[in-house]
Amino acid sequence: SAVISQKPSRDICQRGTSLTIQCQVDSQVTMMFWYRQQPGQSLTLIATANQGSEATYESGFVIDKFPISRPNLTFSTLTVSNMSPEDSSIYLCSGGPGASYGYTFGSGTRLTVV
Amino acid sequence: QKEVEQDPGPLSVPEGAIVSLNCTYSNSAFQYFMWYRQYSRKGPELLMYTYSSGNKEDGRFTAQVDKSSKYISLFIRDSQPSDSATYLCASGNNFNKFYFGSGTKLNVKP
Repeated sequence: SAVISQKPSRDICQRGTSLTIQCQVDSQVTMMFWYRQQPGQSLTLIATANQGSEATYESGFVIDKFPISRPNLTFSTLTVSNMSPEDSSIYLCSGGPGASYGYTFGSGTRLTVV
Repeated sequence: QKEVEQDPGPLSVPEGAIVSLNCTYSNSAFQYFMWYRQYSRKGPELLMYTYSSGNKEDGRFTAQVDKSSKYISLFIRDSQPSDSATYLCASGNNFNKFYFGSGTKLNVKP
């Protein structure tokens, strides 16, 4: 399975600022996903990021708020823009070669907006 | 109705017990199923992934899918205190969008 390195692991940010989260995969993967997880809760899919095309966002998430880049098959970034305290959460990236092989996760970014 | 339902627990068992974790899903088109283990303050760790129905075994872990009843299970044999974590099930279809259960918190007591 792919190994995904995610950074930063945590950050405390001022409201109104932006934070970019990076994920680096140790192999080329077709699919990458970005999730949000509130403490003690399950994962909510933010968007699917495919190399060479625009990310596909889920209902309730928009590109202006969560711009995503996917410049190649091993790297992706998620930016949380114009942050408010409601954006405080754990953000996770996930990826893999395809559903038949399972998808692995990065270690997560714990974001606190003050 | 949620796409994937999972009992949140907590589930507490003695060391060495067989653990059964279960999920149900609503969409009969789902063909891919995954189980993750998540320790506190860590990202989910992929344990098992299966396609369609049947069983898959890996060491102490067995994943089982019953598509007729839309029921997926993870069995852990000879459970260890290190198995104490939250277990997440996920299901999806060919379009690579997966839905996650809310997670079952497992505590294995020494």
